[in-house]
Amino acid sequence: QVQLQESGPGLVKPSETLSLTCTVSGVSIYNTYYHWAWLRQPPGKGLEWIGNNYETGDTSYNPSLKSRVTMSVDTSNNQFSLRLRSLTVADTAVYFCARLWWRQRLGQGWFFDLWGPGTLVTVSS
Amino acid sequence: QSALTQPASVSGSPGQSVTISCTGTDRDIGSYDLVSWYQQHPGKAPKLMIYEADKRPSGVSSRFSGSKSGNTASLTISGLQAEDEADYYCCSYVGSLLGVFGGGTKLTVL
Repeated sequence: QVQLQESGPGLVKPSETLSLTCTVSGVSIYNTYYHWAWLRQPPGKGLEWIGNNYETGDTSYNPSLKSRVTMSVDTSNNQFSLRLRSLTVADTAVYFCARLWWRQRLGQGWFFDLWGPGTLVTVSS
Repeated sequence: QSALTQPASVSGSPGQSVTISCTGTDRDIGSYDLVSWYQQHPGKAPKLMIYEADKRPSGVSSRFSGSKSGNTASLTISGLQAEDEADYYCCSYVGSLLGVFGGGTKLTVL
């Protein structure tokens, strides 16, 4: 059974950097068919896509966050990570990691078929 | 890219059908059949309900169906049940390895 689990601090200060990790169990993160994503949801608001790590090693980020985001993959620990810099209170949200199904050459997929339970991150001094 | 447009809320009685629309542009929904729909109950992670506009994942009830016409995608839920009450989000590929979500629709089962 494939599972994803987010981990990281629940409280960070404005202007600091948020670091979150998603641990994947039940499948190798190094997999031709799967890619890995971060999304977030501010309290009482909708979902926002943050970015993806692709099996090729490429990344893509939401243009509105691109200047502050870095995502990476750690195949040795079957984990992938998110770093979000220069935090403000507007970054307070539940952060989800998810698996992206995407076949770029065939133009198929682009959906998130598996999600972690989410972790609440509050930005406050 | 701009968020896709969904109605803030829809409602229906048990047994009825409801349709939730998701409107984009010819740069996103209009250009790709890569629209997905997610159901989210309070305090829970989203769950994939429809992918590639009209395909249903294994394990999702056949009461859920999706369609697309032009720049608008739709999710239809037939035979409404109390457990269908949730928030629903659409998502579309917009090219260049980018994606965008709709603002979400709250479904109330009366």
